[in-house]
Amino acid sequence: AQSVAQPEDQVNVAEGNPLTVKCTYSVSGNPYLFWYVQYPNRGLQFLLKYITGDNLVKGSYGFEAEFNKSQTSFHLKKPSALVSDSALYFCAVRALNSGNTPLVFGKGTRLSVIA
Amino acid sequence: DGGITQSPKYLFRKEGQNVTLSCEQNLNHDAMYWYRQDPGQGLRLIYYSQIVNDFQKGDIAEGYSVSREKKESFPLTVTSAQKNPTAFYLCASTPLTGPRDYGYTFGSGTRLTVV
Repeated sequence: AQSVAQPEDQVNVAEGNPLTVKCTYSVSGNPYLFWYVQYPNRGLQFLLKYITGDNLVKGSYGFEAEFNKSQTSFHLKKPSALVSDSALYFCAVRALNSGNTPLVFGKGTRLSVIA
Repeated sequence: DGGITQSPKYLFRKEGQNVTLSCEQNLNHDAMYWYRQDPGQGLRLIYYSQIVNDFQKGDIAEGYSVSREKKESFPLTVTSAQKNPTAFYLCASTPLTGPRDYGYTFGSGTRLTVV
């Protein structure tokens, strides 16, 4: 079975400071990992993905994520937070060789960037 | 522009009433999904379809029904058997062959409220 854990319901950070939103996963085999962002009353927007290759993945809006296989983690990071980054962030996973099974999403982490 | 259109944006249901949420995509995607979003519970899969005239139950299918008569369309009916239907409903799609760089493409959602 596949699962995703986002251990923090809420992350607060001051504008200009670095931010980290945590994600750990469980799959059989190699993972296919995603981060999405959701603004109020909107659908989810793609930020970045990891399939294979470099463990540090760069995505939209200056976000990046680091894949750590030994810790089964895929934490989202940004060197300098903006107030406009305030939103709900979702991590998602499926096993790379699981055919076309649906993505499994975490419960989301609300990021609040304070000016 | 290609994308997924969900309608209506807001929907109100009376007790004992069936309502249908529309989801249409012009991306030529093979698979379509319905998720339910509740505060603090993330996205939970209701139904998905990978081919016309076929669909599978997700984790919380009870009280819902779907059809996939056309590749472009995947309507969701919330029946009177769904006792707590107030939620935000998201439709998503993805190709099953070729590049799947974004994982899923999401619609803007329908907010359903029981009155």
